[in-house]
Amino acid sequence: EPEVTQTPSHQVTQMGQEVILRCVPISNHLYFYWYRQILGQKVEFLVSFYNNEISEKSEIFDDQFSVERPDGSNFTLKIRSTKLEDSAMYFCAGARGNPQETQYFGPGTRLLVL
Amino acid sequence: AQSVSQHNHHVILSEAASLELGCNYSYGGTVNLFWYVQYPGQHLQLLLKYFSGDPLVKGIKGFEAEFIKSKFSFNLRKPSVQWSDTAEYFCAVHGTGTASKLTFGTGTRLQVTL
Repeated sequence: EPEVTQTPSHQVTQMGQEVILRCVPISNHLYFYWYRQILGQKVEFLVSFYNNEISEKSEIFDDQFSVERPDGSNFTLKIRSTKLEDSAMYFCAGARGNPQETQYFGPGTRLLVL
Repeated sequence: AQSVSQHNHHVILSEAASLELGCNYSYGGTVNLFWYVQYPGQHLQLLLKYFSGDPLVKGIKGFEAEFIKSKFSFNLRKPSVQWSDTAEYFCAVHGTGTASKLTFGTGTRLQVTL
């Protein structure tokens, strides 16, 4: 059964550095999402992406964040200048058809900003 | 804005005990409802979902949930838990309109003892 994969599984970075989190969605998925979970808190929506553009973004997803799908397979989340409060588990998800279908999640990338 | 409440933060049960985890949501329209499970060290996996039709839905591993529209609830149940059900359980909702993001509850940590 195909799965969503994410790399790296863990990343440690210094405050102010740029990080890129990568996701390979399931091949027939068309809708893509990033969520994050700060330790001890709920999973929060960051951004949704369809047809090579952002469909919706949350208040968390400010100018420091960007997403792209440069080659039709990888789906990336970039944080330009990381802050301590960006430390969290970042989950990628995808859905096959219309936005109401089930979202399938990747294993997550644990980001630690020092 | 949509929101999800899970009132049980940590539940400890003995094997073979029955389980019911509460989930209430707030949303001003028709919703799709989900329960996801996160086993230790693993990614979020779909347990079951409700889109329409029979309000009693059955999922994997013997789990079921009942959608009660009048109570804005979608409680998860299992008649007899196993040690392997030890995990974190998340209720989630998204609307059936253009807003495709999932809104999660805070999660319930279930610990099943032998």
